Amino acid sequence: GNSVTQMEGPVTLSEEAFLTINCTYTATGYPSLFWYVQYPGEGLQLLLKATKADDKGSNKGFEATYRKETTSFHLEKGSVQVSDSAVYFCALDTGRRALTFGSGTRLQVQP
Amino acid sequence: KAGVTQTPRYLIKTRGQQVTLSCSPISGHRSVSWYQQTPGQGLQFLFEYFSETQRNKGNFPGRFSGRQFSNSRSEMNVSTLELGDSALYLCASSILGQDTEAFFGQGTRLTVV
Repeated sequence: GNSVTQMEGPVTLSEEAFLTINCTYTATGYPSLFWYVQYPGEGLQLLLKATKADDKGSNKGFEATYRKETTSFHLEKGSVQVSDSAVYFCALDTGRRALTFGSGTRLQVQP
Repeated sequence: KAGVTQTPRYLIKTRGQQVTLSCSPISGHRSVSWYQQTPGQGLQFLFEYFSETQRNKGNFPGRFSGRQFSNSRSEMNVSTLELGDSALYLCASSILGQDTEAFFGQGTRLTVV
């Protein structure tokens, strides 16, 4: 079956530090890959996505590249802000409108 | 345009009772999916509806059911509530056929006591 593995959190960084959150996946077929973000007390918001190998998704300074050879979709940001503190979820969809999520990584950014 | 609306935002129920949660998708979205979020199991897919038909179902017992109306609004029902059903229930809508981006509501926080 499909599965997504994310690095354990929490990840604690100082403001303006570089961020990497690792994500690897197992899937049948050719999934679309997503990063969602969840702020306290809120639902999920789509951060970025990539639908085929070597695609790079980007939004709000965050980037992730769909690497088929390593089955990875690592999230990166060059300079984090306090407002980026949230829980980040990596997810995949094989076209069945059923997202498979990782366990989530909590990011805490300190001023 | 208005986002995905879930009602109610919070619910407290007693073991053995049943509960119905509601989701209004973004206008024009015909696909509605439901997810359960718990600290132990994370985010898990419950089911997906399109044009009033359930197309996909996750690995949940039959106590969890849902339906979709002709205006795409959806409800999910949980019967014979158990303590373990306490969770944040999230609804997501999407435009089928364009891309797989799902827009999530803020969720309904269900507490079973």
